[in-house]
This record gives sequence, structure tokens and C-alpha cells, in this order.
Amino acid sequence: DVKVTQSSRYLVKRTGEKVFLECVQDMDHENMFWYRQDPGLGLRLIYFSYDVKMKEKGDIPEGYSVSREKKERFSLILESASTNQTSMYLCASRRTANYGYTFGSGTRLTVV
Amino acid sequence: AQKVTQAQTEISVVEKEDVTLDCVYETRDTTYYLFWYKQPPSGELVFLIRRNSFDEQNEISGRYSWNFQKSTSSFNFTITASQVVDSAVYFCALSEVNTGTASKLTFGTGTRLQVTL
Repeated sequence: DVKVTQSSRYLVKRTGEKVFLECVQDMDHENMFWYRQDPGLGLRLIYFSYDVKMKEKGDIPEGYSVSREKKERFSLILESASTNQTSMYLCASRRTANYGYTFGSGTRLTVV
Repeated sequence: AQKVTQAQTEISVVEKEDVTLDCVYETRDTTYYLFWYKQPPSGELVFLIRRNSFDEQNEISGRYSWNFQKSTSSFNFTITASQVVDSAVYFCALSEVNTGTASKLTFGTGTRLQVTL
């Protein structure tokens, strides 16, 4: 069974901390994505990557960066966490364009 | 720019009722894909269906059916004889068709469906 695994289900971090959210897929997919989900706003794309070391900004990249050193791993980095980054973060992967996404279970991040 | 609108924020039904979730989209592309995802309380989004813009045939899968109407830019989802296990947030999404770099999904804001006994 194909899987996208997010390392943490729940995280609590302090304002100003550097936060790493990890995502690993075992499907040899080229494309990987980070979304955040907030009530009433749906899912909004933060960053995506279409290949190793390649990244592109999504709709709301401010305050975030990403890293993709290996095909199976896509990390989201909050350089200096702020309370407005409290959210559910969802990672997804896809083989190539035009296929459906496979999502991870999400990481609920609380910044205090 | 692409946009997906799910006007129904929350719907509550009693088990065995039929329920339709609305989805209206906007795109300038002539070729695109439409999706429905289910998000149960566990949080993981589960893929339900993908529909190509050239394929306007309605689809039925068990108790689920989808009505795609290009003329009204709608892709509605009906659950027949709803069950408590159908309680979830349902997202409609739109994707451009792109053979180059990764094309992204644009999601609606979701419809929360509550099915009670």
C-alpha cells in the first residue's frame, strides 16, 4: 500500500523557534507538495517540488522554506515560528502531473 | 486564475437521506481535471474521483455519484442513503493539465457533512 508519512501528528513549538516538518513517500513520486489547512480557508499551497533540489512557491510561501535533497523526502521549514502559523499541515505526493495526489495524515502544529 | 467554490459550509442529514454536495469551478483552461476528496476525522485526505474535462459522463460508484456539467461549470457529488461513516469534510479540487512542471490542485473550502442516526 502506497504511503505518505509525516513524521509528527502533533507538535507544539514556541514563537521564534525553527521548526522542521518532515514528509516521506515510498512511491518514487516526482512531485511533492505542502499545504496548510485552516477552517473556512480550505487547503492552501505553500510550496511544491517537481524534482530533487527543485522547488517552487505556492500561494502562501511567506515565512516558510523547503528542502528536497532526496526524491522521497520533502521538508517544510518554518525559519522563525509565529502564532499565525498555527495550523494543520498536509504533505502530498504525485507521480507526475495529471495524477491524483496521495496525502499524509497531517501535522497539527501549535505555536505558543 | 483558477477558483473552486463550495458554497455549503456545513450540511446535516439523518441517516438514509440522500445528500448532494455542490461544487462550482472557474478556469480559463479548456482542458483540466476535477477531483473530490474526503477528509474523515482522522485527518487524512482520501481520493474519491478524478474527472477529465473532456469526459462529461456521470459516474456512479456504489452509493456515490458525480454529476459533471461543463455548461454550468459544476461537479456535484451525491451520496445516496447516507450513513454515519460518511460524516467528514469533503473537498472539491481543480487541476490544470500540464505535462511540464508540477501542476497544482486548487481546492475549495470544503463542506462538512454530519450524518446522524
